Amino acid sequence: QQKVQQSPESLIVPEGGMASLNCTSSDRNVDYFWWYRQHSGKSPKMLMSIFSNGEKEEGRFTVHLNKASLHTSLHIRDSQPSDSALYLCAAKRSNTNKVVFGTGTRLQVLP
Amino acid sequence: NSKVIQTPRYLVKGQGQKAKMRCIPEKGHPVVFWYQQNKNNEFKFLINFQNQEVLQQIDMTEKRFSAECPSNSPCSLEIQSSEAGDSALYLCASSSEGLSNERLFFGHGTKLSVL
Repeated sequence: QQKVQQSPESLIVPEGGMASLNCTSSDRNVDYFWWYRQHSGKSPKMLMSIFSNGEKEEGRFTVHLNKASLHTSLHIRDSQPSDSALYLCAAKRSNTNKVVFGTGTRLQVLP
Repeated sequence: NSKVIQTPRYLVKGQGQKAKMRCIPEKGHPVVFWYQQNKNNEFKFLINFQNQEVLQQIDMTEKRFSAECPSNSPCSLEIQSSEAGDSALYLCASSSEGLSNERLFFGHGTKLSVL
C-alpha cells in the first residue's frame, strides 16, 4: 500500500526563521507531488506542486524534488505567524486517480 | 471561500445510526474524492468518482458506506451503521481531471461525532 511519510511531525520556528519540511513516498511509480496547507478549522488548500526534478520557488516558499529518492521538501523562509498550519504532502501516479496524503507536519511560528 | 460545498458542517449520531453527508463539487469538475481525516490528521482515501462512476474505493467504503454522485444532484456519502471509530472530519474534494496533475479543491468538511 502506497504511503507518504512526512517529517518532522511538528516544528516550531521563530518569526523570520526558516522552516524545512520533508516528505517521502514509498511508491516508486509516483509522478506528481503537491504540498497543501490546512489552517486550523479550515480546508486544505494547495500551496505548491512539483512534478520534475529540481527546485521551484514562489515568493517565500521553495520546493525541491528528487525523483530518484522519491523525496520532496518544502522550505519557508522569513516564516510568519500566519504560516502556522498543518502542511500536508500529497503524491500520485500519473496512471491512477488516487491522491495519497501524508499525515502532515504541524508548523508553529512564534512571534 | 471554498467553492466545494459540504453539508452539514457538523453531524452527531449514535452508534448504529446512519450518517449521511453531501457535497457539491466545484462547477465543471467531474472528479470527486472523499477523504476521512481523523484526530491524528491521518488522511484516509475513501472513494472517488468521475462523473457518476466510481473509480476507486477502499474495502471499508465498499462494505460499510454507500456513496453516489448522481447527475444534477449533490454527491453523498452515507455510513450505514456508525461506529465510534468513524468520528472524524470527512472532506470532499473535486478536480477538473482525474489522471492529470490537477490540484484538488476541498470543501470545509463534515465533522462527524459518533457517541
